[in-house]
Amino acid sequence: QQQVKQSPQSLIVQKGGISIINCAYENTAFDYFPWYQQFPGKGPALLIAIRPDVSEKKEGRFTISFNKSAKQFSLHIMDSQPGDSATYFCAASLGNQFYFGTGTSLTVIP
Amino acid sequence: DTGVSQDPRHKITKRGQNVTFRCDPISEHNRLYWYRQTLGQGPEFLTYFQNEAQLEKSRLLSDRFSAERPKGSFSTLEIQRTEQGDSAMYLCASSLVLAGSYEQYFGPGTRLTVT
Repeated sequence: QQQVKQSPQSLIVQKGGISIINCAYENTAFDYFPWYQQFPGKGPALLIAIRPDVSEKKEGRFTISFNKSAKQFSLHIMDSQPGDSATYFCAASLGNQFYFGTGTSLTVIP
Repeated sequence: DTGVSQDPRHKITKRGQNVTFRCDPISEHNRLYWYRQTLGQGPEFLTYFQNEAQLEKSRLLSDRFSAERPKGSFSTLEIQRTEQGDSAMYLCASSLVLAGSYEQYFGPGTRLTVT
């Protein structure tokens, strides 16, 4: 059973546009929600993370929106750049166990 | 480089052979995790250590898999009698256990191909 569902599977955005990736979870005990960015042949790199007691967190061009009642959270990439082209994974954790989504392949076209 | 390192980066082996991977975590991190990632999927948890103690193992970790962290520093993951289904990227991550801190930092991974 997929603990974290991620959509869309792929996303194409024009340079300067907003990229939005969504995730949904079932287990209300999850207490940490990170987003990771992964380039081909590399390991995932922590991008930004949020706790369930906060509804939004912003770091530079990256924002997480968190809706506890809907059990959903999303990543917004403002002013998307070609260098942002990568695969993005959301995750939810319960203690040491991280459950990852299936990933979103983002392509930012110039 | 003070990040998580893994060796080798790529491994091609024939079915039935044994393979061993190494992970060196960030030096002050006391927790070390192993994940497996197949194409088009997110990482799947395999096991984790706190210092030298292996505290949790996923059901994905069959009897052919064994992991060690003998001195609480680097870790090894061994796969015996490899099968084609073992082909995947094996990722290591580390973290520092502090109150309220959950960040895991990943290494570049070891890509295993079983022919």
